[in-house]
Amino acid sequence: QPQLQESGPGLVKSSETLSLTCSVSGGSVSSSTFYWGWVRQPPGKGLEWIGSMYYSGNTYYNPSLKSRVTVSVDTSKNQVSLRVTSVTAADTAVYYCARHYLGIDYFDYWGQGALVTVSS
Amino acid sequence: QSALTQPASVSGSPGQSITISCIGTSSDIGGYNYVSWYQQHPGKAPELMIYDVINRPSGISNRFSGSKSGNTASLTISGLQAEDEADYYCSSYRSSGTVVFGGGTKLTVL
Repeated sequence: QPQLQESGPGLVKSSETLSLTCSVSGGSVSSSTFYWGWVRQPPGKGLEWIGSMYYSGNTYYNPSLKSRVTVSVDTSKNQVSLRVTSVTAADTAVYYCARHYLGIDYFDYWGQGALVTVSS
Repeated sequence: QSALTQPASVSGSPGQSITISCIGTSSDIGGYNYVSWYQQHPGKAPELMIYDVINRPSGISNRFSGSKSGNTASLTISGLQAEDEADYYCSSYRSSGTVVFGGGTKLTVL
């Protein structure tokens, strides 16, 4: 079963770009039927889906974030990445990467999460 | 995009059964069988408990069950145990290739 591990800066300045990487072990990001997605959770609040990508390039995004978000997959490194541009305090959250069945169904494996704080 | 509607909190005593509802629309829960439920303990990542409305992943107790009627999905936990105390989130596919979560329900075991 795959293991997912998020990494990246824990502090980002307002108006700058948030970048996170998810390293996948015990499985391939090129596996069929599975997309790789990102979900975030602001402190004390609920889950919000950000976007999901298939290794071949097909991508789905949350419409409310689509203009600022990019999800990418690096098959050579077996990694998934997330970029969020023009961040504000509202982007402060724990960011999870997760394996996403078909890109529209359930998330079956999750990383432990990475807290990113946006400072002014 | 608007979230699915869940009660903020539910509670029950050990051994009892509880049900958490998740209300959507015909564009999500009512239109597709891509409903899933997640359990989240404090400081931990969510864990998949139910997928495709009624299915349990391997290793999940049969005390957890899911169902759907119209635009409302439900998670039932029978034989409540102290370890079930956690936050629970529903999720559904929504038309146009998006995924939406519920606002979450805090389960307290009395």
